Formats: sequence, structure tokens, C-alpha cells
Amino acid sequence: EAQVTQNPRYLITVTGKKLTVTCSQNMNHEYMSWYRQDPGLGLRQIYYSMNVEVTDKGDVPEGYKVSRKEKRNFPLILESPSPNQTSLYFCASSLYPVETQYFGPGTRLLVL
Amino acid sequence: AQKITQTQPGMFVQEKEAVTLDCTYDTSDPSYGLFWYKQPSSGEMIFLIYQGSYDQQNATEGRYSLNFQKARKSANLVISASQLGDSAMYFCAMRGDNNNDMRFGAGTRLTVKP
Repeated sequence: EAQVTQNPRYLITVTGKKLTVTCSQNMNHEYMSWYRQDPGLGLRQIYYSMNVEVTDKGDVPEGYKVSRKEKRNFPLILESPSPNQTSLYFCASSLYPVETQYFGPGTRLLVL
Repeated sequence: AQKITQTQPGMFVQEKEAVTLDCTYDTSDPSYGLFWYKQPSSGEMIFLIYQGSYDQQNATEGRYSLNFQKARKSANLVISASQLGDSAMYFCAMRGDNNNDMRFGAGTRLTVKP
């Protein structure tokens, strides 16, 4: 089954404790991206990747890191999480940037 | 810079009636794509419909159609024969061909009344 998976689905952590949210797709898509969703703001793009080893900043990259060492994986790293990073996070992928994106199920993060 | 605006925070519609969700956009890219997504209360993002800026005809997918007015920079979603299961948040999004980032509107919460 073609899908985008994210782990964990729910995470509660404390300020400053490094965490990684994994994202994996099995559709051989070139383009992957991370979004955060906050009430009243819709989805805002954090980072995106055009291909292996090619990443770029989206709208709200501060406080986040990403890497794309393999085509199928695009982890999101929070080196020192803060409470303002409490949000719902989505990973998405598409064959090319202008193609329809397929979203993962979301990761709900709470930073205390 | 690209920008998407959804001016209706919430909409109500009677079951079996049609409803239009508004979306306007701003971009300097000559070529771009417009998307609508549905987010039910369970949280997942479901792709509904896509319109390319050079497409001559408005996109349709089952009960969903996109009323694309390029000169007015609007891409409204029309849902015909609303069903209770259509109650959800709806997001309009855009990506320009010269920009690899994707922009979303703030969303419209649609409630279908029985």
C-alpha cells in the first residue's frame, strides 16, 4: 500500500530534550516536506527536500533541522524543543514539487 | 511572495445542498498549481482536487469542482449535494512552478446540518 508513515504519532517531552520525528514514504517520491499546523494559521511549511541531500527552508524553519540521506526517509529533528513548538506536524511527499502531495497521519507534539 | 487567503473561518450548509468555499491567491509565478485538501476531525489530510494554472477547464472530481477564475486569482471549491461526512476543515493550497515551497490558507470549517 502506497503511504507516508510518521513516528511517533503522539509525543510529550520537556523543554530542551532533543527529539526526532521520522517520516518514510514507499512511493519513490522525489519531493518531501514537513509542515506544522496551528489553529487559525493553517499549515506552514518548515523544510522541504527536492531529492537526496537537497533540502531547503520553508516558511518557519527556526528551531528545526532535517536531513535526506535516503530517498524514502526525511526525519525532522528538534535539537532543543521549546513550548512554542507544541503543534501538529505533518510529513508529505510527491513525485515532483508541482504534483499532488500525500500526507502522513500527523504527529501531535507537546513540549512542556 | 505567494499568499493564500480563505476568508470564511466557518460555513454551514444544509444536507443535500451545494456549498462554495472561497479561496483567493497571490503569486508572481506565471505557472502554478492549486490544491484543495480536506481534514476531518480524525486529523488526516485528504487530497480532493487539483487545478493547474494553464488548464483550460475547471477541475472536477465527483461531487467536488474547482471554480477557477484566473483573472480574479480565485480558486473556489464547490461541493455539490453535501453529505454529513463532508463536515471537516478544508484547506486551499498553492505551489508556484518557480517556488518549491507550498502555501496553505488558514482553512474553512464546514458543518453540514441534517
